[in-house]
Amino acid sequence: GAVVSQHPSRVICKSGTSVKIECRSLDFQATTMFWYRQFPKQSLMLMATSNEGSKATYEQGVEKDKFLINHASLTLSTLTVTSAHPEDSSFYICSARKELVSEAFFGQGTRLTVV
Amino acid sequence: QKEVEQNSGPLSVPEGAIASLNCTYSDRVSQSFFWYRQYSGKSPELIMSIYSNGDKEDGRFTAQLNKASQYVSLLIRDSQPSDSATYLCAVNGGSNYKLTFGKGTLLTVNP
Repeated sequence: GAVVSQHPSRVICKSGTSVKIECRSLDFQATTMFWYRQFPKQSLMLMATSNEGSKATYEQGVEKDKFLINHASLTLSTLTVTSAHPEDSSFYICSARKELVSEAFFGQGTRLTVV
Repeated sequence: QKEVEQNSGPLSVPEGAIASLNCTYSDRVSQSFFWYRQYSGKSPELIMSIYSNGDKEDGRFTAQLNKASQYVSLLIRDSQPSDSATYLCAVNGGSNYKLTFGKGTLLTVNP
């Protein structure tokens, strides 16, 4: 199998604070991890692509200083939403890809609510 | 800009019927094609992948790919109420393995 674990599943934070979301591949080494954001009734929007040991590649319009991504090992990537605001409230989902395989497997997602 | 188009639906079928979901893509060099199922409030779950022209069957699911027409479809036979979900078409064309998603088709299977 290919299991991707994302934590936390749900978080509520105050405006101005930072939130860290973890994404782990449990039974494989993930050469690439992806971070998506999904607003209600919309499709997934890719935020950034991260490869282990290198800087993340951000999609156009995504603020790299606001959404900090660290891919420290082949099994762990983190997304930190800094100085969160209510408009950052969304469903954040990570996915991970095995080497030499095209399929990407998703974590359970994190529902972020900024109040 | 790479685009993936799906009918947003909702598509409603009776239990036991065949549900047909369609997807077109704009990037001719796309190489890998995926169907994901997403239940409300949950993350997507991979149900089918297809890489070459023709049909690929897995249980009640059949994916069909026509690269000349830039078209990929998913058929669900003997539809069950538990199949009610949003189905996302995703396309991968580059070496960076980034997926481009369609907006999804909401399927409702009525008992």
